[in-house]
Amino acid sequence: GNSVTQMEGPVTLSEEAFLTINCTYTATGYPSLFWYVQYPGEGLQLLLKATKADDKGSNKGFEATYRKETTSFHLEKGSVQVSDSAVYFCALRVINNDMRFGAGTRLTVKP
Amino acid sequence: KAGVTQTPRYLIKTRGQQVTLSCSPISGHRSVSWYQQTPGQGLQFLFEYFSETQRNKGNFPGRFSGRQFSNSRSEMNVSTLELGDSALYLCASSPGQADTQYFGPGTRLTVL
Repeated sequence: GNSVTQMEGPVTLSEEAFLTINCTYTATGYPSLFWYVQYPGEGLQLLLKATKADDKGSNKGFEATYRKETTSFHLEKGSVQVSDSAVYFCALRVINNDMRFGAGTRLTVKP
Repeated sequence: KAGVTQTPRYLIKTRGQQVTLSCSPISGHRSVSWYQQTPGQGLQFLFEYFSETQRNKGNFPGRFSGRQFSNSRSEMNVSTLELGDSALYLCASSPGQADTQYFGPGTRLTVL
């Protein structure tokens, strides 16, 4: 079946630190991969996506590369800010199937 | 374009009651999916509708049902509420079934 595994949190970093949140997937077929972010009291916001192998999604300083050989889609940011504190979800979707989400990783950035 | 809207934003019910939640997708989007989010179980898929037809269904009891109207608006209904149904219910819309989903702010349901 289709599933996503992402690193457990919580993750606590100091401002300007480097961020990596690991995400690996299992899929039958060719999935599109996504990172969503959820701020307190809100729904999920699309952060970035990649639809085929070797694609790099990027937005607001965040990046993730679709690695088919390692079935991974790790999220990275070179310098985090306090405003990046949120819960991050990795997700995949295979055509004609529902979207599958990881468990979420809570990130706290301290000034 | 306006985003996905969900009503109501907050709801308090008692056990045994039923509830209906509403979702208006982004204009032009024909696919609507519903998710339940709880601290213990995370995000769980409920169902997806496309062009008024249920296309996918998650592993939830029959008390959870939904429908989609010709204007793509969707409702979900939960009958005979249980304490464990307390959750944030999220609606997401996309142009088609394989496309990126865009989420609404959610409806926070509390069952007492």
